[in-house]
Order: sequence, then C-alpha cells, then structure tokens
Amino acid sequence: GQNIDQPTEMTATEGAIVQINCTYQTSGFNGLFWYQQHAGEAPTFLSYNVLDGLEEKGRFSSFLSRSKGYSYLLLKELQMKDSASYLCAVRASGGSYIPTFGRGTSLIVHP
Amino acid sequence: ETGVTQTPRHLVMGMTNKKSLKCEQHLGHNAMYWYKQSAKKPLELMFVYSLEERVENNSVPSRFSPECPNSSHLFLHLHTLQPEDSALYLCASSQVVSGSSEQFFGPGTRLTVL
Repeated sequence: GQNIDQPTEMTATEGAIVQINCTYQTSGFNGLFWYQQHAGEAPTFLSYNVLDGLEEKGRFSSFLSRSKGYSYLLLKELQMKDSASYLCAVRASGGSYIPTFGRGTSLIVHP
Repeated sequence: ETGVTQTPRHLVMGMTNKKSLKCEQHLGHNAMYWYKQSAKKPLELMFVYSLEERVENNSVPSRFSPECPNSSHLFLHLHTLQPEDSALYLCASSQVVSGSSEQFFGPGTRLTVL
C-alpha cells in the first residue's frame, strides 16, 4: 500500500516564507505532484518532481529526496491569495500513471 | 479555464432518486477520472478510464456506476445513495505518457444526499 503524510494545517504571515512537508511510503516511486486547491474550486497543478533536487517556478519551489521519501513545497513572498489547501500526490512505479493523494495541508495566510 | 467541465455544479437528491453527473474534457486527453473528496480525507479515486480500459477502486459501492462513451465524456450514474455519499465529486483528465502527465480537474459537483 501507499502512505502519504502532510501536516493538516499551517499558518503564516503575508510576505513570509512557508515550507509544507510531505513524506511518503510507496511501493516504488514514479513521481511526486503538488496541487493547489482554493476553497470550493478545483485542484490545480503546481509542480512535478521525479529526480532528487529543487525545482523552482516563480515564488513556488518543490524539493524531492527519494532516498528519504520526502518532499517539500516552498512558498516565498506569501500573498493572501496563497491561502488554500496544498495536496501532495505520489505515483508508484510499475507503469502506474495514477497518483495517490495525501489529505492536503490547509495554509492560512494572515496580514 | 481548466478545460474540464462538470455539470451540475450542485445536486441535492433523496436516497431513492437516480441522477447522473457529467464531465467533459476539451484537452484531447486519453484518460479520465472520478474522485470523491470528503472533508478531512484524501482525494479518493473511484474510477479511471484510460485508452478504453477501465480501472476501479474495489471499495466503491455498486450504487455508483461510471460510463465513458468516448475519450472526451465521462458520466457517473447514481442510484439509491446514502447520506454518507454526500461529498464533492471531482472529474479529472490527463494524457497518459511518460513524464509528468499531470491531471486537470473540473470544478466538481457538490452532492448532498438527504
């Protein structure tokens, strides 16, 4: 089976930096996704990591360590609109294209 | 604009009703998915149609039945639902190739079963 763990909720201040962690235990590994979901809206794709290291995309970066079963999403220069749920999803190996999602981390950004 | 549309956006039904949820993707993808999203729980995969193959989560009750008439359309037929089936039902699509193949989600149908 697969197990994906993320903090349930985090709070941060506008303009600050926040790191959302995701740890996973899967039967093999074939990629990790981060999605953002605003309340009442669809999840939207943020990032994809399949090799170790940091992927930067504007204010958002995602890091992966396959040996540790660990990823984080780093959000810089936080804005109020970043208040949302952040979903970590992992795809096992063996040719599977279907990811398994974690419970999501609800991020609240306050002034 | 996500390219994936769902109707209806909200649905209230009694336990004896029969209804259907509709999803359409305009992205030319070859895989479509149904997910159930309940509060405080992970997204739960219900069904996948990919390259005309159907994959299903064996824990999904038979009162949910999917239909995929072509690669752009996906339905979820509902009958004799229970109050615990109240949730947000999300449709998604992706292109099944090597690499990222991220999923594109529709806005969801908020279902309430009375």
